Amino acid sequence: DIQMTQSPSTLSASVGDRVSITCRASQSISSWLAWYQQKPGKAPKLLMYKASSLESGVPSRFSGSGSGTEFTLTISSLQPDDFATYYCQQYNSFPYTFGQGTKLEIK
Amino acid sequence: EVQLVESGGGLIQPGGSLRLSCEASGFTFSVYSMNWVRQAPGKGLEWVSYISSGTSDRYYADSVKGRFTISRDNARNSLYLQMSSLRAEDTAVYFCVRGSSTQYSHYYYYYMDVWGRGTTVTVSS
Repeated sequence: DIQMTQSPSTLSASVGDRVSITCRASQSISSWLAWYQQKPGKAPKLLMYKASSLESGVPSRFSGSGSGTEFTLTISSLQPDDFATYYCQQYNSFPYTFGQGTKLEIK
Repeated sequence: EVQLVESGGGLIQPGGSLRLSCEASGFTFSVYSMNWVRQAPGKGLEWVSYISSGTSDRYYADSVKGRFTISRDNARNSLYLQMSSLRAEDTAVYFCVRGSSTQYSHYYYYYMDVWGRGTTVTVSS
């Protein structure tokens, strides 16, 4: 199985900050990576797919990059609505696997 | 509006069985692959199972293989998860999730784009 490792596990930041979350795969997954945002008590929401493709309706302050084994989700200017938990997920092969999550907190 | 609505969760004793359902609306259900993903209380996301649009391909997480069965009824726009031999560690919110495809060479890759709100399964005596 492909292991997905996110860092950091927790990130404290302020409104307006630029932040990045890293996701590493235990083997190459090409660009078959998705990012999700989840708020407490809610279902996850797709932000990015194919590593850098922005899902329709997602603000352009979100961007994704990377291929192979290392990927990054960047939020260019944090907004109050962005404080949530973020997950990466590989869909290169079954079983699909998720990172452990990164909780983005208000500093 | 594209929507997925899960049902069938509840409190069940260890060793028991439960069937989850997911009703889809707002899109052509029969052409999409589908998944179940779960989230234990206070924990991260765990993919559980996948079924192709035509039911020919099904995959399972090792943690549920042999105990859970995914199925679908395209005429009813519905996805199911039959769960048996339930354990305490199966306690979670179960999400029904649509798979959308990207083609590369001769292969299709499916990312999960639409999520239901989830149904809660609690396995406890």
